[in-house]
Amino acid sequence: DSGVTQTPKHLITATGQRVTLRCSPRSGDLSVYWYQQSLDQGLQFLIQYYNGEERAKGNILERFSAQQFPDLHSELNLSSLELGDSALYFCASSVVSGEYYNEQFFGPGTRLTVL
Amino acid sequence: AQKITQTQPGMFVQEKEAVTLDCTYDTSDQSYGLFWYKQPSSGEMIFLIYQGSYDEQNATEGRYSLNFQKARKSANLVISASQLGDSAMYFCAMREIGGKLIFGQGTELSVKP
Repeated sequence: DSGVTQTPKHLITATGQRVTLRCSPRSGDLSVYWYQQSLDQGLQFLIQYYNGEERAKGNILERFSAQQFPDLHSELNLSSLELGDSALYFCASSVVSGEYYNEQFFGPGTRLTVL
Repeated sequence: AQKITQTQPGMFVQEKEAVTLDCTYDTSDQSYGLFWYKQPSSGEMIFLIYQGSYDEQNATEGRYSLNFQKARKSANLVISASQLGDSAMYFCAMREIGGKLIFGQGTELSVKP
């Protein structure tokens, strides 16, 4: 158990809908990262927050947004869902933001299926 | 642009033998970190081992060791004494100073009894 929690574990929804994925980082970790794992794109970085502020953006679609709340949990909002958004979404956390040597601890992931 | 390349989509190894999973990387940064993660069929990402760009010695963690050759930009994972439970996808990743991880495409390892 990495200490990072993600809910829900599975999510099945229809095209055009909106969903929210939730992540709670390890106790004491200030930085949260979101990744998407799909068959065709592999594991891709989406977005990073540090202590409530957005720090970096990757290949995140405009239909997707995220935020980190004062209690440090984070939510990833996916809207106008398309079939291609079906993927495993991971949240990871680390103590600090920029240092390259800090390990990132991954949550169990949320498997999103868009029908 | 930073890139991680894993050229072995799939590998087979006999139980109790050693296996090397290849990883090459490309970066213009002087400071970076290299990681290996294991992803079993259940889906979670399990951290295995880390190597810093300035570390002079190869990292080791139990049965896992990282063969780091900086000049060649390679960071191969060596698993000694393979076990059936080692069957999984293995991802090499690089962490930039900005913090995000860049992953390779992964290698699926199958351990045969």
